[in-house]
Amino acid sequence: EVQLLESGGGLEQPGGSLRLSCAASIFTYSDYVMSWVRQAPGKGLEWVSSISGSGDSTYYADSVKGRFTISRDNSQKTLYLQMNGLRAEDTAVYHCAAYYYDSSAVDYWGQGALVTVSS
Amino acid sequence: AIQLTQSPSSLSASVGDRVTITCRASQGISSALAWYQQKPGKPPNLLIYDASTLERGVPSRFSGSGSGTDFTLTISSLQPEDFASYFCQHFHNFPAITFGQGTRLEI
Repeated sequence: EVQLLESGGGLEQPGGSLRLSCAASIFTYSDYVMSWVRQAPGKGLEWVSSISGSGDSTYYADSVKGRFTISRDNSQKTLYLQMNGLRAEDTAVYHCAAYYYDSSAVDYWGQGALVTVSS
Repeated sequence: AIQLTQSPSSLSASVGDRVTITCRASQGISSALAWYQQKPGKPPNLLIYDASTLERGVPSRFSGSGSGTDFTLTISSLQPEDFASYFCQHFHNFPAITFGQGTRLEI
């Protein structure tokens, strides 16, 4: 059974930094695009960032561009999100998500990690 | 950028009711649409992909239809476990993901 397990969430002050990790139990991890999707309390789903299977290509939502950095370690089957310059509006549950290049839906979701930005 | 607009944003219904949720795309997306159910504190759970294909293990009371810009998710006979939030999703500029704003289905 495929599992995605996020860690690294917590409380941080505005302007601070946090690093999220997502450990995957996927046999062919490098075949999957990996993404971060967040959900603010009581709100809908918002795509944050994606990275190609090889890690060569990265993509960001305008709301986080220049502040967040996505990366992956295929040898460790782990996805990362370095979040700098945190703002109150970044408060959300952050889910990692995995899907094939030819998928028409997200294949796997993590349970999520709560990030709270507050002074 | 393509936008997905769901309606209604919330819906009250009873066990046994037939319910329809609509997702409208701002431009044509063929049949490239998925539907998810989400319960509090849980990640989304895939129900339908390619607009009308039922994900394995999802009860047959769920169905999807539509193509182009207009899509619907129908629950034929609501069960107590169906009260949740529902989202539509499209890969626009893959791998970026676009979501509808969600529909909250309440008792």
